[in-house]
Amino acid sequence: DVKVTQSSRYLVKRTGEKVFLECVQDMDHENMFWYRQDPGLGLRLIYFSYDVKMKEKGDIPEGYSVSREKKERFSLILESASTNQTSMYLCASSLYTLGGNYEQYFGPGTRLTVT
Amino acid sequence: AQKVTQAQTEISVVEKEDVTLDCVYETRDTTYYLFWYKQPPSGELVFLIRRNSFDEQNEISGRYSWNFQKSTSSFNFTITASQVVDSAVYFCALSEGGNQFYFGTGTSLTVIP
Repeated sequence: DVKVTQSSRYLVKRTGEKVFLECVQDMDHENMFWYRQDPGLGLRLIYFSYDVKMKEKGDIPEGYSVSREKKERFSLILESASTNQTSMYLCASSLYTLGGNYEQYFGPGTRLTVT
Repeated sequence: AQKVTQAQTEISVVEKEDVTLDCVYETRDTTYYLFWYKQPPSGELVFLIRRNSFDEQNEISGRYSWNFQKSTSSFNFTITASQVVDSAVYFCALSEGGNQFYFGTGTSLTVIP
């Protein structure tokens, strides 16, 4: 079974704090993703990574950065948290081959509240 | 423009009724992949099905079935004889040639006992 774990289920931070969200997958997947999920907006892609040290911006990268130093770990960083970053954050990983994109496996999510 | 549209925001059905969740997608690629995910109240998205653009065969898995029609760019999901455990938010997603996935806004299904 694929396992994607996220460092926290719930997190409360203050405005201006630097926030680290960690994600680890155990299936040797090339691709890893960070999404945020807000009511009525579905899942919006923040960043994704297709290899170690490689990253690409998604639809809403502003205010976020990412780090992928090891294949199994993908970190999302909020450099200076703001209240509009209060959201559910979902990490996912997927296999990629020349045969195309395979399904994503998701972690349990981190509900971040910025006060 | 939305690449994946799930026009039904919320649906309520009584247990044992059949229900169909609609998904319409938009792409210019000839090779693409479609997915359905379930997000139960616990929050973790669960993969249900993957379909590539060259395989238009409908699929049935127990009470779940999927109807893929390229002519209408639709990939609809039907639950037969719904159960309370089917209550969840369901997401349809599209992946094209790159590494990105595009999700619809989800359909919240409530099955009333």
